[in-house]
Amino acid sequence: DAKTTQPPSMDCAEGRAANLPCNHSTISGNEYVYWYRQIHSQGPQYIIHGLKNNETNEMASLIITEDRKSSTLILPHATLRDTAVYYCIVRPRYNTGKLIFGQGTTLQVKP
Amino acid sequence: DTAVSQTPKYLVTQMGNDKSIKCEQNLGHDTMYWYKQDSKKFLKIMFSYNNKELIINETVPNRFSPKSPDKAHLNLHINSLELGDSAVYFCASSQGGREKLFFGSGTQLSVL
Repeated sequence: DAKTTQPPSMDCAEGRAANLPCNHSTISGNEYVYWYRQIHSQGPQYIIHGLKNNETNEMASLIITEDRKSSTLILPHATLRDTAVYYCIVRPRYNTGKLIFGQGTTLQVKP
Repeated sequence: DTAVSQTPKYLVTQMGNDKSIKCEQNLGHDTMYWYKQDSKKFLKIMFSYNNKELIINETVPNRFSPKSPDKAHLNLHINSLELGDSAVYFCASSQGGREKLFFGSGTQLSVL
């Protein structure tokens, strides 16, 4: 079972920031938080990951709370092409590559 | 060039048939995977191979047999197809099990 809880759906206006929350209250010290997204009819796409520090890359920013029990993925300027299902995944540091996907959050970016 | 490519993209077949899905990655990765996405959109891992060695086999019926002829290829053969096998199958690859996964675009299998 997935160790994360996400809202099933969210809307965001085009050009605004999209903030996608994730709860992972049972995360352990050696587990990372990963975010993937799946655009309709495509395979999942890696976005970002972090352990305890905030992270930023060309796609998004990841904010992890100090207690690591929750995190927020931020898409700073959402576009229509960001409409997708976003998955928050807790993954052990030393892992065989097994990702446990939950239901994710369906983000609808509206014009 | 597509990093992880699967063929075919669509596969429609009758119950009881045997079919294969092919996957190739040109990223130089040493680990490859098969994931299954069912009608409710849940994604679950089926198999993973590292350097042609089976690492993960997740309670998958033995009608499903992965084959890895080399590090760049991981094919999925399915015998005696059943209606419940209808799903989208995704191939993925990574460098080791700790790095991010790159997914193919999926093969939609429909068993009639």
